[in-house]
Parts: sequence; C-alpha cells; structure tokens
Amino acid sequence: KAGVTQTPRYLIKTRGQQVTLSCSPISGHRSVSWYQQTPGQGLQFLFEYFSETQRNKGNFPGRFSGRQFSNSRSEMNVSTLELGDSALYLCASSLERAYNEQFFGPGTRLTVL
Amino acid sequence: GENVEQHPSTLSVQEGDSAVIKCTYSDSASNYFPWYKQELGKRPQLIIDIRSNVGEKKDQRIAVTLNKTAKHFSLHITETQPEDSAVYFCAAPFYRRGTASKLTFGTGTRLQVTL
Repeated sequence: KAGVTQTPRYLIKTRGQQVTLSCSPISGHRSVSWYQQTPGQGLQFLFEYFSETQRNKGNFPGRFSGRQFSNSRSEMNVSTLELGDSALYLCASSLERAYNEQFFGPGTRLTVL
Repeated sequence: GENVEQHPSTLSVQEGDSAVIKCTYSDSASNYFPWYKQELGKRPQLIIDIRSNVGEKKDQRIAVTLNKTAKHFSLHITETQPEDSAVYFCAAPFYRRGTASKLTFGTGTRLQVTL
C-alpha cells in the first residue's frame, strides 16, 4: 500500500498571501487529521475530516480551513499568512477514527517571509 | 480538558542504559494511548500503543505501562542504542459528546543516546 503523501513538500510565501496544502491518505482510510508542528510546541491539532465532514477543530484562527473530497483526499488552506505560520504541516490518515493508528505523511514545510 | 503532559522534554542516556518517558492525561474517558517516534527530518511513526484493558505491553526493548487510576502512562526503552535517538510523542484521544474524534499529543521528549 502506498503511504500518505503530501504536496508540495516545501513552500515559501510572503506575509498576506494564502496557501493550499494537499494530503492523499492511504487507500481505504477515511479519516484525515492535520497538525502544525513547530519547535517546542509539539504537534498541534488543526482539524479532522471524515466522509467530507469536519468532525473536530483545534484552537486555530479562522484563517486556517480545510476540506475533504469524496476520495478522502484533503486540503488545508491558510489565508492572510503571518510570520508565525511558518511550520511543518503534517497530515495523518486512519481507518475511521482519530484514535485508530494514525499514519503520517512527510509534511509540508511552509516558510513565511 | 484535553491536556496531555509529557516529561522530560529532553533526556540524555548512555548507550545500554534505560530511558523512561512519562505522560499524564486529563480525559478520564481516554482508552487508547499510542507512542510515536520522530527521527530527525522524518515523519512521526507509531512504535507501540496500549489500550485501557491492559496495564502493560512489551515489544522487544520497548514497553508501555498504564495506570488508569492515576491517569498516567509511561514509555520504557531498555538497552538503548544510538538509533533510539529521536523525539518521542505520547498521545491520548479527546472525547466530546461521548465520541473520540482527535488525538491530543504531548509536547515531545528529545532522547539522545550517547556512546
């Protein structure tokens, strides 16, 4: 089985721009979660999608949004980028529930200048 | 609440020694406790997990213990090797309206195994 893939792997943007990140889960996995990873802050939960519906959302501003398509692929969008948004964005897929084993993608490294 | 506290934040041990990382959680409904290992520049990967119907689980040199009464669980690595050097994350599910919909992660422990 192919693993979780994320595109792009690296992004450089400037403040005020917006960005869209993509995540393709493992075939058959219906739950996709997104995390922001910064040094010293661990893995901060952004949101989780299942069957095209957002089931849970973390404590991030409304500039962070996401969606899931019928094939379980997911995208997240960050609008009006700020310097503090620079981070590694990881997605993880699991069969049905966020508490099933989660398989992480390689991440997208976002740098905001 | 949905807090998972993890200690220590950094841990340095000599090769061959044991390492212990501890986590506490706040949601008494939590019943699944995974541990992830993230090597430098790589994605987190599940190394072991435990469910609440058991108190201990072992897999070769790693083991996890769970104390549901005290709401804490620990990762034990014996006979540490240089390839064990990585950041380790514990996690626990957070329940809302009776449904677990996300994992809450600890802030991570950077383990350094020195020769």
